[in-house]
Amino acid sequence: KAGVTQTPRYLIKTRGQQVTLSCSPISGHRSVSWYQQTPGQGLQFLFEYFSETQRNKGNFPGRFSGRQFSNSRSEMNVSTLELGDSALYLCASSLEPSGAYEQYFGPGTRLTVT
Amino acid sequence: AQSVTQLDSHVSVSEGTPVLLRCNYSSSYSPSLFWYVQHPNKGLQLLLKYTSAATLVKGINGFEAEFKKSETSFHLTKPSAHMSDAAEYFCVVSVPTGGFKTIFGAGTRLFVKA
Repeated sequence: KAGVTQTPRYLIKTRGQQVTLSCSPISGHRSVSWYQQTPGQGLQFLFEYFSETQRNKGNFPGRFSGRQFSNSRSEMNVSTLELGDSALYLCASSLEPSGAYEQYFGPGTRLTVT
Repeated sequence: AQSVTQLDSHVSVSEGTPVLLRCNYSSSYSPSLFWYVQHPNKGLQLLLKYTSAATLVKGINGFEAEFKKSETSFHLTKPSAHMSDAAEYFCVVSVPTGGFKTIFGAGTRLFVKA
């Protein structure tokens, strides 16, 4: 079974631009979560989607948004990029909303904002 | 409030000696607890999980963890370290608050000396 895939793997953007990251979950998984990983803040939860609905949201500004499609694929969007948005963005999928279910992580998208 | 604390940011052991990575949590609800490992430039991989069944949980690659409610701890152990265990380890707590909230610890970097 194919794992979680994320595209693109690397991205360089300029401050003020916007970016869209994509995540394809493991086949049959209906929940997708997004995380931001930085050396200073560690791994922080962004949001979780299940059946096209946002189930939970972390403490991030409204510039960070996401959505999930009927095939469970998910995208996250960051508008008006800031230098501090440079990070590794990880996507994780699980059968049901994360909780008792383990999450399977993708390799991440490395975003650099200049 | 829910939180998770990994008591050591770095742990160094010699190959063949035991590994102990410490994790304490705080939760008003019955939590699910996980340990994930992240090898350099790779995504996170689940080592093991506790979801209110047996308190001693066995995971992959010889790792195990014991849930101690009285001590609010979920320490990760391995009897004999291998060079390939060198990685960053994350303790994760997930609690059912208006949709599950998943909180990652800050991580413990494990170094294994030959």
